[in-house]
Amino acid sequence: GAGVSQSPSNKVTEKGKDVELRCDPISGHTALYWYRQSLGQGLEFLIYFQGNSAPDKSGLPSDRFSAERTGGSVSTLTIQRTQQEDSAVYLCASPRGGEAFFGQGTRLTVV
Amino acid sequence: QKEVEQNSGPLSVPEGAIASLNCTYSDRGSQSFFWYRQYSGKSPELIMSIYSNGDKEDGRFTAQLNKASQYVSLLIRDSQPSDSATYLCAVLSGYSTLTFGKGTMLLVSP
Repeated sequence: GAGVSQSPSNKVTEKGKDVELRCDPISGHTALYWYRQSLGQGLEFLIYFQGNSAPDKSGLPSDRFSAERTGGSVSTLTIQRTQQEDSAVYLCASPRGGEAFFGQGTRLTVV
Repeated sequence: QKEVEQNSGPLSVPEGAIASLNCTYSDRGSQSFFWYRQYSGKSPELIMSIYSNGDKEDGRFTAQLNKASQYVSLLIRDSQPSDSATYLCAVLSGYSTLTFGKGTMLLVSP
């Protein structure tokens, strides 16, 4: 697509439930980042994909977080057994030569 | 741990003034540097990239890089109220590690 598309835009979930967040990057971009931004905070790196591989997943905060990418395109970030501290905006970025283009984000609220 | 440091602000300037935003980074091997603008409730938007020492100008924006001092800055000339936002400095290390500072909030008063 022309830009980075993320879905859903907003997600409210109950503590303990699993959630899936989706990112559809810019067509032809082989790399992809996931970041998380808590209210009033900076961007926290989660994971980097090159193609379908994730050579850097050092930012995933716990084993409840996982991500995959298929066909070198769409990526899903899964959070299992959500906790209130998982509430944040989850941002996907589609970089080209280091210049990152962000989606509109998914605002996750765990109640 | 690669770090990018910015003053959180807010930096308040009157309309028409020059706003100066600064950033330092810890990884001396970093090779690419970026400034993003983030309006409240919106996603970051790339406004400038710089790769070599010196100045790079784009309209009212000038990015400055000093690798010896590990320092990056962004100057905004003729600041407008619409420039009020949080400005994020980002540094690329290796081929994939893109680290962001926490951002500086800029307030431009009419």
